[in-house]
Amino acid sequence: KQEVTQIPAALSVPEGENLVLNCSFTDSAIYNLQWFRQDPGKGLTSLLLIQSSQREQTSGRLNASLDKSSGRSTLYIAASQPGDSATYLCAVRRDNYGQNFVFGPGTRLSVLP
Amino acid sequence: DGGITQSPKYLFRKEGQNVTLSCEQNLNHDAMYWYRQDPGQGLRLIYYSQIVNDFQKGDIAEGYSVSREKKESFPLTVTSAQKNPTAFYLCASSLTGTDEKLFFGSGTQLSVL
Repeated sequence: KQEVTQIPAALSVPEGENLVLNCSFTDSAIYNLQWFRQDPGKGLTSLLLIQSSQREQTSGRLNASLDKSSGRSTLYIAASQPGDSATYLCAVRRDNYGQNFVFGPGTRLSVLP
Repeated sequence: DGGITQSPKYLFRKEGQNVTLSCEQNLNHDAMYWYRQDPGQGLRLIYYSQIVNDFQKGDIAEGYSVSREKKESFPLTVTSAQKNPTAFYLCASSLTGTDEKLFFGSGTQLSVL
């Protein structure tokens, strides 16, 4: 059974710092992995999708990497801003029928001005 | 603007009552999903549908029912058989390709009176 964990559960950093969020999964047979952002009381917004054959994806100040063999993904945020404060969730797609994702519990990020 | 609309934003259920959560999308997506989010946990899949008039149970379908009579609509009914319905419910949609991003609505918070 696929399980996804995220460490740390919460993180507080001063503005301008570069930071890394971690995602681990137990079964390396995944189709892809997505990183999402969730603001309090809101839905999720997809940030980056990494296909199983890819090693990383970049969008602006965000860079996500994937190491299937070790069951790990990282989300790197450069030059963090207060507007980056949110919960970040990773999710792995587990089969080829539908977007059946297994989600991690998320990392709650606070960027202090 | 294209998107996913969930209503209502807040919903209260009395014991023994069935309630229905609405989800409408105008993204022309074939696939739609219902997830449940509990504090400190990852999202869990309740039901999903790849095409009209067809849907599949997810990991926690007991006590829930859905219909998919139109491409744009995927309502979720929380029945009285669901003994712990208090949660944040998220509807999502996507195209049906291999590496398609999930798009989410803004969620419905269901509480028990």
